[in-house]
Amino acid sequence: NAGVTQTPKFRVLKTGQSMTLLCAQDMNHEYMYWYRQDPGMGLRLIHYSVGEGTTAKGEVPDGYNVSRLKKQNFLLGLESAAPSQTSVYFCASSPGLAGGPVPGELFFGEGSRLTVL
Amino acid sequence: AQSVTQLDSQVPVFEEAPVELRCNYSSSVSVYLFWYVQYPNQGLQLLLKYLSGSTLVKGINGFEAEFNKSQTSFHLRKPSVHISDTAEYFCAVSDVGSNYKLTFGKGTLLTVNP
Repeated sequence: NAGVTQTPKFRVLKTGQSMTLLCAQDMNHEYMYWYRQDPGMGLRLIHYSVGEGTTAKGEVPDGYNVSRLKKQNFLLGLESAAPSQTSVYFCASSPGLAGGPVPGELFFGEGSRLTVL
Repeated sequence: AQSVTQLDSQVPVFEEAPVELRCNYSSSVSVYLFWYVQYPNQGLQLLLKYLSGSTLVKGINGFEAEFNKSQTSFHLRKPSVHISDTAEYFCAVSDVGSNYKLTFGKGTLLTVNP
C-alpha cells in the first residue's frame, strides 16, 4: 500500500551542489506535482505534470527542473542549490481529468527535508 | 488567479471545546474547495471537500465545513475537539478546469490542550 513515495527523506547539501529528489506513485495517476512547504508560507507549487512526458511551471519554479519520463515517476532537480531552497518538499499525485473518487484530490508523499548550507 | 486566506495562523483550544478555522478565497470562476490536515512529520491528507450541491459538507473525524458563495468562505468546524486533532490545517482552492492545480492557504495550527 505504498501510494506516493519520496526519496530521500532527508538531505544536507552545500551551496552550489546539485541533487535530485525522486517521487514514485503506484496508483496509475496522470497528474503529479512538486510543492515546497516553508514556515508561515503554506504549500507553494513548484512544477507539475499532467501526463508522461509533460511538465509545466507552477508558482515558484526558479532554480528547479523536473522530468516525467515514466508515468509513475516525477523527478525534481536542483542544479545549483542555494540556502533559499532549504525547505520541505512534497510530491503529490492525482487521477486528473480521468476522475477518481474526488476530482482534484491530491495524494501526498511524506515529504523530503532538504537543508542547504 | 485564485487565492486563499486563512485568517488565523494559530488556534489554541481546550479538549472537548468547539472550534472554527476560518478560510476565505478569491476566484473569478467556479471553484472546488478543500481542507487538508497535516499531522506532525507527515504529508497532507484530505479532510473534506466541496465540489457542488449541498453547501454543508462532512468529512472525516467529525469535521464539517460550510461553503458560503456570497461571502467566499469555507470555514471548518468541529463541535468537540480531541487531543488527537492537534495538527496543521490547510484550506485549498482549485478553479474548475484548472488541471486540478490547488492553491493552498498558509495553514492554521490547531493545538488542543487538556
